[in-house]
Amino acid sequence: GDSVTQMEGPVTLSEEAFLTINCTYTATGYPSLFWYVQYPGEGLQLLLKATKADDKGSNKGFEATYRKETTSFHLEKGSVQVSDSAVYFCASSGVGQGAQKLVFGQGTRLTINP
Amino acid sequence: DTGVSQDPRHKITKRGQNVTFRCDPISEHNRLYWYRQTLGQGPEFLTYFQNEAQLEKSRLLSDRFSAERPKGSFSTLEIQRTEQGDSAMYLCASSSLPGGANYEQYFGPGTRLTVT
Repeated sequence: GDSVTQMEGPVTLSEEAFLTINCTYTATGYPSLFWYVQYPGEGLQLLLKATKADDKGSNKGFEATYRKETTSFHLEKGSVQVSDSAVYFCASSGVGQGAQKLVFGQGTRLTINP
Repeated sequence: DTGVSQDPRHKITKRGQNVTFRCDPISEHNRLYWYRQTLGQGPEFLTYFQNEAQLEKSRLLSDRFSAERPKGSFSTLEIQRTEQGDSAMYLCASSSLPGGANYEQYFGPGTRLTVT
């Protein structure tokens, strides 16, 4: 079945450091791909998405590019801030009959130190 | 629009008791989803509705679990004869697009269930 694998955490960085969180997926077709973020005490929020190969999703300085050849959707940010501390989840939509549900990775906890 | 709401936010129950959670989606969203999230893991799909019809159920949804969306608006998730393994965060999400892969699910804050 479809699955999403994320870089294991936790990840701790200093403010203004470069961030990469790796995400790879397996699917029989070409799903849409998402990054969700969960801030402490809050619900999941969509951070960015890409719906087809080579699309780049971006929001709040974060970017991720849908790479079909490597089945990846790595999250990057050039200069992180303390306020970026959260848990990040990579997710894919199903394909075909399963297109309605999201399949999530296990999450990566990010802590940014000032 | 106030977003997806869930009630209660926290529930502590004894093993063997029944519990019911409620989810109110964003108004006019015709799709509603339930997920379960255990500590340190990502959410796992349980079931989803389009209007009042329950269109898919995960194998995670044992016979002790039942979900309804009687009028195509709010939904309830009931767990009968709770077990300690049911302890988790139960998330509700809703979306508005009628189909296709290009959609966004909006999540509620979740109901945290603890079974003692």
